[in-house]
Amino acid sequence: RKEVEQDPGPFNVPEGATVAFNCTYSNSASQSFFWYRQDCRKEPKLLMSVYSSGNEDGRFTAQLNRASQYISLLIRDSKLSDSATYLCVVNSWGSGAGSYQLTFGKGTKLSVIP
Amino acid sequence: SAVISQKPSRDICQRGTSLTIQCQVDSQVTMMFWYRQQPGQSLTLIATANQGSEATYESGFVIDKFPISRPNLTFSTLTVSNMSPEDSSIYLCSVRGDETQYFGPGTRLLVL
Repeated sequence: RKEVEQDPGPFNVPEGATVAFNCTYSNSASQSFFWYRQDCRKEPKLLMSVYSSGNEDGRFTAQLNRASQYISLLIRDSKLSDSATYLCVVNSWGSGAGSYQLTFGKGTKLSVIP
Repeated sequence: SAVISQKPSRDICQRGTSLTIQCQVDSQVTMMFWYRQQPGQSLTLIATANQGSEATYESGFVIDKFPISRPNLTFSTLTVSNMSPEDSSIYLCSVRGDETQYFGPGTRLLVL
């Protein structure tokens, strides 16, 4: 089982639509969780952290369910500028390096269409 | 957040040659990370570079293939040695921030 699994995508949605991405992780000892955004030919950038209580940042809402090891990202009122790949990222203890390490999902590609 | 630069931004190389990628950070950091992102794949950690000690490599990556230098707290290099077409990828440098990690712009490598 892959450590971090995401919806395969791609998601093609019209402007103004609401779209949801899901992610599951296998390491129950994972400590922190994030959604990153990666534009075409660019580096990943932090979109938002994900907390058990759920958190919202404008049109973006992230949820974490530790019992189910499940993370979600909801985007409301999609804009053309939201078109990107969204990466689910989990922070876990890496025994090799003796420090916390990020594990990335493959990402879900979103295209918002006019 | 940290400002990270990488050189070169892209390169096309012949198989059997080596390429050294440089990473510069605008602040002193203890740990620097090197990742690889192959087409259609997730980011994979190659190694963690600490200043003044040997880098720690992840499973599947070895020092002979990916030697790393970390001469000071703001700079690191990753060398991709004896390249083959399978090494074609984006290589990203990363540092830890307050909440998570920040990434350099990446080096796009194509091996012919």
